[in-house]
Amino acid sequence: GESVGLHLPTLSVQEGDNSIINCAYSNSASDYFIWYKQESGKGPQFIIDIRSNMDKRQGQRVTVLLNKTVKHLSLQIAATQPGDSAVYFCADLSLLTGRRALTFGSGTRLQVQP
Amino acid sequence: NAGVTQTPKFRILKIGQSMTLQCTQDMNHNYMYWYRQDPGMGLKLIYYSVGAGITDKGEVPNGYNVSRSTTEDFPLRLELAAPSQTSVYFCASSKKQGLTVETSGKNIQYFGAGTRLSVL
Repeated sequence: GESVGLHLPTLSVQEGDNSIINCAYSNSASDYFIWYKQESGKGPQFIIDIRSNMDKRQGQRVTVLLNKTVKHLSLQIAATQPGDSAVYFCADLSLLTGRRALTFGSGTRLQVQP
Repeated sequence: NAGVTQTPKFRILKIGQSMTLQCTQDMNHNYMYWYRQDPGMGLKLIYYSVGAGITDKGEVPNGYNVSRSTTEDFPLRLELAAPSQTSVYFCASSKKQGLTVETSGKNIQYFGAGTRLSVL
C-alpha cells in the first residue's frame, strides 16, 4: 500500500556538522509534505513544510528538498546542535482527498555528539 | 493560547476496562485527529473529525470510538481495553483549508503532549 518511509533509523553526527535526513514516499498523489521533530516524551513539533510544486524550501537552519521524480524528500540541518537531538518524521498529505490526515514515516533518530 | 491539551498524561488499565482520553484545543481549529504511536514507530491515524458533529475512521479505528460535540473537544473512547492498545496517544488539530493548495502553513497539525497508556 501507500507509505512514507525512511532510509536510516539512526543518524549520529558531530556538533557543528550538517545533518541530512532522508525520506522516501510512494504516494504519487501526495502534494504536501511536512517534517516534524519529536523530542523524548513530547508530541511532534512542526519544523518545515513544502508543497509538491516546489523543489526546495528553506527555514532557519533547515532546508527541505523534494525530488518528485524519485519520490524522495530530505531534511538538511545546518550546524547541528545538541538541541537538535530528537526523532524526525516526514509525513505526506494528499489535499485532494479531503481527509487532511497525514501519513507518517517511522522516523529517524538524530544523535548529536558533543 | 494553550494549544492542544491532552489528559491524562499517563494511565494504566486492566484488560477489559474502559476509559476516555480527553483532548481539547483553543485555536478554533475545525480539524482534529487522534493518532497512536507504538515504540519505535511513526504515528498511525485512529479517527479524525472535520468539524463538530462529523467524525470518520482512520487507519486503525478498531477498538476505539470518538465524538465531536463541540469544536474544542475531541475525546477518544476505549470500551474494552486490550494489551494491543498499549501505546502513546496523540491528539492534533489543524485549520480548515480548501481543496486547492494555498500558502503553506494552513495544513500544519499541532500536537498535544500525548497520553501514555498501558493495558495489563
